[in-house]
Amino acid sequence: QSALTQPASVSGSPGQSITISCTGTSSDVGAYNYVSWYQHHPGKAPKVMIYDVSNRPSGVSDRFSGSKSGNTASLTISGLQAEDEADYYCSSYTSSSSLVFGGGTKLTVL
Amino acid sequence: QLQLQESGPGLVKPSETLSLTCTVSGGSISSSRYYWGWIRQPPGKGLEWIGSIYYSGSTYYNPSLKSRVTISVDTSKNQFSLKLTSVTAADTAVYYCAWSRDYNWFDPWGQGTLVTVSS
Repeated sequence: QSALTQPASVSGSPGQSITISCTGTSSDVGAYNYVSWYQHHPGKAPKVMIYDVSNRPSGVSDRFSGSKSGNTASLTISGLQAEDEADYYCSSYTSSSSLVFGGGTKLTVL
Repeated sequence: QLQLQESGPGLVKPSETLSLTCTVSGGSISSSRYYWGWIRQPPGKGLEWIGSIYYSGSTYYNPSLKSRVTISVDTSKNQFSLKLTSVTAADTAVYYCAWSRDYNWFDPWGQGTLVTVSS
């Protein structure tokens, strides 16, 4: 299984909105509403921000939102804050009953 | 609050077996119908799902690692473990254990443990 495709980096200024894309295939992202997004500050444990495409776990800021269209899922962060600077990974369930992650996107808050 | 902690050797020789344990606190590993997983991150690279185990013992593995991976649960110690055989330098990574409510997403995760494969 091939990793999902994410941009290597995105950036934005405080207060702005950014969107990170996650492109898969009709065997993973396009086939199931089981896309999740993780925030990872280096040296710390990853934290789920979105699950099942657009659901936010309790305690996650509503500045984080998720969506999907066809084989591409997206994570949008509105009202960017300095603490949002981190690596972000998407993940999807696949037709082989496995899970696949994206290559990761480094978010820089300017 | 559920907490997970990885433990095991930080250095493994090529061709040998990597063995890690994840100790769960704040909840029973066998009390509910949940999944427990292993994920790794090679230096400078992205996350890779290794596999997951259901509370009943059913296992699910990454097809690319399936021939070398075994995940098991020890309910008496409230732990689950990972064994990866015939390791090479490509298996050098930070290894994370994590909990999953429904297989598809993980939270919380352990802090991770770095395993280096080198002679």
